[in-house]
Amino acid sequence: GESVGLHLPTLSVQEGDNSIINCAYSNSASDYFIWYKQESGKGPQFIIDIRSNMDKRQGQRVTVLLNKTVKHLSLQIAATQPGDSAVYFCAEGLGSWGKLQFGAGTQVVVTP
Amino acid sequence: DAGVTQSPTHLIKTRGQQVTLRCSPISGHKSVSWYQQVLGQGPQFIFQYYEKEERGRGNFPDRFSARQFPNYSSELNVNALLLGDSALYLCASSSGLSNQPQHFGDGTRLSIL
Repeated sequence: GESVGLHLPTLSVQEGDNSIINCAYSNSASDYFIWYKQESGKGPQFIIDIRSNMDKRQGQRVTVLLNKTVKHLSLQIAATQPGDSAVYFCAEGLGSWGKLQFGAGTQVVVTP
Repeated sequence: DAGVTQSPTHLIKTRGQQVTLRCSPISGHKSVSWYQQVLGQGPQFIFQYYEKEERGRGNFPDRFSARQFPNYSSELNVNALLLGDSALYLCASSSGLSNQPQHFGDGTRLSIL
C-alpha cells in the first residue's frame, strides 16, 4: 500500500535494541494521551494510553512516559522487532469528549 | 470480535461530485469519529457523534456532513468535491466516555481526479 511515512522523521533501530519515540504536545490543558501505530495501507492501531494524573504507564514491551512540565510524551519499545516497523503517532485528547489531535508522526525502521 | 469496518475501501471521483462513506463501529461502542489523513500527515479531526448527536466538529467546510444511525453506524458525506479532498478518511469508534481510546478502521482511500 501507499507509504504513510512520506517525509516524516525517521528512527532507524537495530533489531533487538530498544526504541524511544518522542512527541511534543501543544495544549497544557490536554488530559489524555494516546500512542498509535500505523502500518502502510492500514488505519492507526491503538498501542497504549495515559492520563494526565500519571507520569508512566507500562504495557507489553511498551512504556509511555509523560512530562507535563515540558509537554513531552515518549514511547519506549523494548527489544524492537521487524514487525514494529511502522509510523508512530502520538495524540492528545482535547476536551472531555475525546477529540484527538495528532502529532506529525515518526517513521520507525527496524534493521536486522 | 469485529473491529471498525469502513466501506468502500477505495473510491475514485471527479471534481464537483458527491461521496458518501460508511462506518460500522465496534459492537457496544456508541461514539463514532471521522478523521481525514493526507499523505505524510497525522489524521485531522472532522466530526464526532455520540448517541446520534453531533458532539464536535473540526475545522472543515460545510461541504462535509455526517450522521449517526440508531444502530450507531455512521456516514460521512462530502459535496462538491475538490482535488484537495483526496485523502484517507478514517473512522474511529469508542465507548463515548471521557478518556477512553478510539479504535480506528482501515479507512476509505478517496481519490479526486
